[in-house]
Amino acid sequence: DTAVSQTPKYLVTQMGNDKSIKCEQNLGHDTMYWYKQDSKKFLKIMFSYNNKELIINETVPNRFSPKSPDKAHLNLHINSLELGDSAVYFCASSQTVYEQYFGPGTRLTVT
Amino acid sequence: DAKTTQPNSMESNEEEPVHLPCNHSTISGTDYIHWYRQLPSQGPEYVIHGLTSNVNNRMASLAIAEDRKSSTLILHRATLRDAAVYYCILRPVSNFGNEKLTFGTGTRLTIIP
Repeated sequence: DTAVSQTPKYLVTQMGNDKSIKCEQNLGHDTMYWYKQDSKKFLKIMFSYNNKELIINETVPNRFSPKSPDKAHLNLHINSLELGDSAVYFCASSQTVYEQYFGPGTRLTVT
Repeated sequence: DAKTTQPNSMESNEEEPVHLPCNHSTISGTDYIHWYRQLPSQGPEYVIHGLTSNVNNRMASLAIAEDRKSSTLILHRATLRDAAVYYCILRPVSNFGNEKLTFGTGTRLTIIP
């Protein structure tokens, strides 16, 4: 059974477009996260939600908007995509402070 | 946030123990030490965590120096599937829901058959 799933796995799009990445977890966790891993492999947190409430909002352009329709889902919508948004985006979830479970990632390529 | 320093890369022979070091000289008294690993083309995976005492689980052991300024992740018997980037992360105590993991550059572990 997939614990944290993301769709799509790959996303290729042009500059200026709007796209969404979906994340679902079937672990019953209360907290979900979005991380970005850039081309140099640095992994940085973007957002976290706890029970559908935004908790962490790092310095991320407001073109990025997370949406949590329920605590099992945390989607990431990106407006006006730029070349620098090309990266791998990871969703994660946790129920305790000790362990986060990561999804397989979505590779976004902006051309 | 307190910083960690890890070697960029390490190699180890298959079926031998691996000791992955991490320096964190500016660690605060309430920072937990977490280790995650990232296998090729996958998301990070939790390995182990500790505060002051050494810890063991089914994946690895964590040895924490008495002054807590360094720690070592020990893989007791490396297999080819252990080839990954290993991240040592300090996590400040915070309200749950604000568990920000700050990843560094990690150590790329290569296992030699």
